[in-house]
Amino acid sequence: QLQLQESGPGLVKPSETLSLTCIVSGGSISSSSYYWAWVRQPPGQGLQWIGSIYYSGTTYYNPFLKSRVTISVDTSRNQFSLKLNSVTAADTSVYYCMRHTTHGAMDVWGQGTTVTVSS
Amino acid sequence: QSVLTQPPSVSAAPGQKVTISCSGSSSNIGNNYVSWYQQLPGTAPKLLIYENDKRPSGIPDRFSGSKSGTSATLGITGLQTGDEADYHCATWDSSLSAHVFGTGTKVTVL
Repeated sequence: QLQLQESGPGLVKPSETLSLTCIVSGGSISSSSYYWAWVRQPPGQGLQWIGSIYYSGTTYYNPFLKSRVTISVDTSRNQFSLKLNSVTAADTSVYYCMRHTTHGAMDVWGQGTTVTVSS
Repeated sequence: QSVLTQPPSVSAAPGQKVTISCSGSSSNIGNNYVSWYQQLPGTAPKLLIYENDKRPSGIPDRFSGSKSGTSATLGITGLQTGDEADYHCATWDSSLSAHVFGTGTKVTVL
């Protein structure tokens, strides 16, 4: 059974870089049928897609975040990562990693990790 | 920022039916597949419906999805207390080149 697990600091200072990793277990990140992605949810708010990556390294990002986001994949470690730079309090959220199909079905999710931006 | 509009809340008694609408435009719902997610309190979203009306294995047929034009609908029949959750629609927006989510709907079982 495929499982995703986010890891990374729970507290980041303003203007610094938020870095998270998603470890994929129970299956290969190199599957040709899926993309791997990050979604976030600010406290009390809805879901926001951050960006997606294919195992080959092809990426596409939310245009509203594109200038600050980098998503990378490490197939040897079966994991992918998120970097969001120049963070502000508005980036405080629960961050989820997930898998989705080419038609956008987001079928496997990590449990989520809370990241707070504060000095 | 959300381009998909859902009602903030819906409610009904146990055993009854609720429907949740998701309104968009031709650049998103009108020309792309819609999926629906259930988010129980304090947990990650869970896929309920994909490609407009398909259910993943393990999702009961009490949950159904449909799409017409630029709107989509999630139906829940035989409402149970365990269905109390937030429900989100999602699709691809071809103008934004982005996956987009709805504003979210809280379902309350009276």
